[in-house]
Amino acid sequence: AQSVTQLDSHVSVSEGTPVLLRCNYSSSYSPSLFWYVQHPNKGLQLLLKYTSAATLVKGINGFEAEFKKSETSFHLTKPSAHMSDAAEYFCVVRGSGAGSYQLTFGKGTKLSVIP
Amino acid sequence: DTGVSQNPRHKITKRGQNVTFRCDPISEHNRLYWYRQTLGQGPEFLTYFQNEAQLEKSRLLSDRFSAERPKGSFSTLEIQRTEQGDSAMYLCASSRPGASYNEQFFGPGTRLTVL
Repeated sequence: AQSVTQLDSHVSVSEGTPVLLRCNYSSSYSPSLFWYVQHPNKGLQLLLKYTSAATLVKGINGFEAEFKKSETSFHLTKPSAHMSDAAEYFCVVRGSGAGSYQLTFGKGTKLSVIP
Repeated sequence: DTGVSQNPRHKITKRGQNVTFRCDPISEHNRLYWYRQTLGQGPEFLTYFQNEAQLEKSRLLSDRFSAERPKGSFSTLEIQRTEQGDSAMYLCASSRPGASYNEQFFGPGTRLTVL
């Protein structure tokens, strides 16, 4: 079965400094991986997705993630944090076979941005 | 694009009562999903519909839970004889037809509190 582990439950950065949210995955096949963001009282929004094309994936709002098979990682980065980036971020893996429409979420990383 | 809508946004009920939630997907989306998110956790998959057919059900979906999607449009999720452990955010998502995976668009959720 596939799973994801988000290594930090809470990350705090100063506005204008880089963001790094870490995610490791476990999968017996080439996975499809995603990052979703959840702002308070709003629905989950897709930031970016990896589906075995380019290993460096660019998403919305300046975020990007790099798929590293050797490290089984899919870390999310942004060069410069903005106050509006404060939210909860989820690393997600898609199921396979009959479960290919299921998304399996990590426990989430809460990002705080300090002015 | 009006997005995925869910009603009610909040529901407080007493243990043992039945509750029903409604999800209206994006109009051209034929796939609909239900997830449950408890405090401090990522969303967990419950069930999936393609048009009116319920194609996947998680083992989390006990016999007290039932989901329907009559006519392949809106969906309802009913919980019978609610328990305190059912307290959670219930999320609905939808995706368009076509490729094996298309982005799932999430609604704002229904927060259930069982007293």
